[in-house]
Amino acid sequence: AQKVTQAQTEISVVEKEDVTLDCVYETRDTTYYLFWYKQPPSGELVFLIRRNSFDEQNEISGRYSWNFQKSTSSFNFTITASQVVDSAVYFCALRDLDTGNQFYFGTGTSLTVIP
Amino acid sequence: DGGITQSPKYLFRKEGQNVTLSCEQNLNHDAMYWYRQDPGQGLRLIYYSQIVNDFQKGDIAEGYSVSREKKESFPLTVTSAQKNPTAFYLCASSIGAGQETQYFGPGTRLLVL
Repeated sequence: AQKVTQAQTEISVVEKEDVTLDCVYETRDTTYYLFWYKQPPSGELVFLIRRNSFDEQNEISGRYSWNFQKSTSSFNFTITASQVVDSAVYFCALRDLDTGNQFYFGTGTSLTVIP
Repeated sequence: DGGITQSPKYLFRKEGQNVTLSCEQNLNHDAMYWYRQDPGQGLRLIYYSQIVNDFQKGDIAEGYSVSREKKESFPLTVTSAQKNPTAFYLCASSIGAGQETQYFGPGTRLLVL
């Protein structure tokens, strides 16, 4: 079974619109970590955020915000007032005790922000 | 500047040839990882190493080999046994092998001639 599901394959928005990227995960562990990475066209994955399973507080960093809900096993990512530079592929990842030292990545959501 | 470097950026392989991808980090991280990325798919783990002279297979290790003789270096060899090597290869490192964040290099794109 897939541990991390990103159902949105591609999203296009017009600049300044808000956009939410969905991430649903699956784990039997009570202790786990969730991550979001950004992959711009250059290819390098850029770390955005890490959350542990005991901290459900939502987080905001500038135009970025994350909504962690254990009840629905979701860790969604919202970009407010999107910009062209936000165009990239975004990956959600899970690391839990079952996986040992492995990350499990979703298949990514390709975001295009149209000027 | 601290970071992870991968070379070359592009690599071409002929049929039956082994090729080696370089990964170096100066972050003083203990753990290093190799991932393969195919179009429309997430990253899949090939090999990882928690400490020098030790490494473990990931989900898709067949046709690949690694070594970890130095803390800062974790080269990946794509052998002729890997029948579909065309992909984007990403190297990552983390402080330890626990729940720490992984940081990634710029990647190497491997193409078969």
